[in-house]
Amino acid sequence: ETGVTQTPRHLVMGMTNKKSLKCEQHLGHNAMYWYKQSAKKPLELMFVYNFKEQTENNSVPSRFSPECPNSSHLFLHLHTLQPEDSALYLCASSQATGGAQETQYFGPGTRLLVL
Amino acid sequence: SQKIEQNSEALNIQEGKTATLTCNYTNYSPAYLQWYRQDPGRGPVFLLLIRENEKEKRKERLKVTFDTTLKQSLFHITASQPADSATYLCALEGSGGYQKVTFGIGTKLQVIP
Repeated sequence: ETGVTQTPRHLVMGMTNKKSLKCEQHLGHNAMYWYKQSAKKPLELMFVYNFKEQTENNSVPSRFSPECPNSSHLFLHLHTLQPEDSALYLCASSQATGGAQETQYFGPGTRLLVL
Repeated sequence: SQKIEQNSEALNIQEGKTATLTCNYTNYSPAYLQWYRQDPGRGPVFLLLIRENEKEKRKERLKVTFDTTLKQSLFHITASQPADSATYLCALEGSGGYQKVTFGIGTKLQVIP
């Protein structure tokens, strides 16, 4: 295992539901990331946190709301999602936000289906 | 516009042969390039990092080359095994205040016994 855990692993929700995805890293890293991976598309960076502060919001719709209470935990709060938001949501962490010189450690992902 | 191109068609090779995967990029000047492996339904796993001043990097049966003139990286797996079957992603730095990493779509490798 990579030291990054995500729960739940699978989630089905209706468009009016509110749910949260949880990510926890046990690596002592300072940076955490949310990515979206849709079929036949590359990984899309959503949010970056460095020392609990959000440093990147990649034009993500407001129906996705991240929360980083400390350097080990990251949440993605979901509300009024659309069917096109169905995807694999991946959390990652790295020692710092040093770009491609930093190795990112990914969790197993949450497979989300929006009905 | 910036683009990372990986052969999105699956690559099928016979066990024991060398697999070569390509990552081409346009309008980037990356100082670093990474390769990751992703199995179905799992997160990517880091394999190798190569710097712009390194022509080649090796790790066990893996070899990566980085040609900044051609704007291309090649990823080789020698003596391929069925367990090497996975999708392989390249990643490099794009523009952005914090040195944002951008991933290619990946190439699916199938090693046939």
